[in-house]
Amino acid sequence: DAGVTQSPTHLIKTRGQQVTLRCSPKSGHDTVSWYQQALGQGPQFIFQYYEEEERQRGNFPDRFSGHQFPNYSSELNVNALLLGDSALYLCASSSERGASTDTQYFGPGTRLTVL
Amino acid sequence: AQSVTQPDIHITVSEGASLELRCNYSYGATPYLFWYVQSPGQGLQLLLKYFSGDTLVQGIKGFEAEFKRSQSSFNLRKPSVHWSDAAEYFCAVVPFSGGYQKVTFGTGTKLQVIP
Repeated sequence: DAGVTQSPTHLIKTRGQQVTLRCSPKSGHDTVSWYQQALGQGPQFIFQYYEEEERQRGNFPDRFSGHQFPNYSSELNVNALLLGDSALYLCASSSERGASTDTQYFGPGTRLTVL
Repeated sequence: AQSVTQPDIHITVSEGASLELRCNYSYGATPYLFWYVQSPGQGLQLLLKYFSGDTLVQGIKGFEAEFKRSQSSFNLRKPSVHWSDAAEYFCAVVPFSGGYQKVTFGTGTKLQVIP
């Protein structure tokens, strides 16, 4: 059973560009959450998707947007990249509608470097 | 404001020695509590979680954690550390809202294990 997968593994962009990161949830999971982990910090919640809609959002600007597809996979889009967007972006999936008691399974992350 | 604090940024222990990693939270009500481990280049792996009931929780890899309401703490322990335990450890909380997951992570404690 494949776990959570993310692509690409690494990505280098320049300031002002746009980037799309992809996530496939664990089999049987219907909820996807995205996190940003800056170097030396804990992950910070960006947003969560369920039934193709953004259900919760953390303190991130509108430059961060996402999408969930009918097969539950998800994309994270970041526009107008800033140097401060350089981080490890983690995707996590869960089932049971992402209820608070459900366990989230994390992917290995995408390392984004903005130059 | 709700928060989770890991006071120790870096801890070094000898292989075979006992380990305790501290975690304190500040919430209006007892949240759901988690400990995750992150090895270099890896995503986050859940070690254990506490929702209610017995305040001593057993997890994977020989880890346990004790919830102390009076101290707003959820410290992680292991009786005998192995070299493979070297990693970064994150305490995380989810508000007891009965709703959806919005996980808040601590800043992490990096564990070094020396022979």
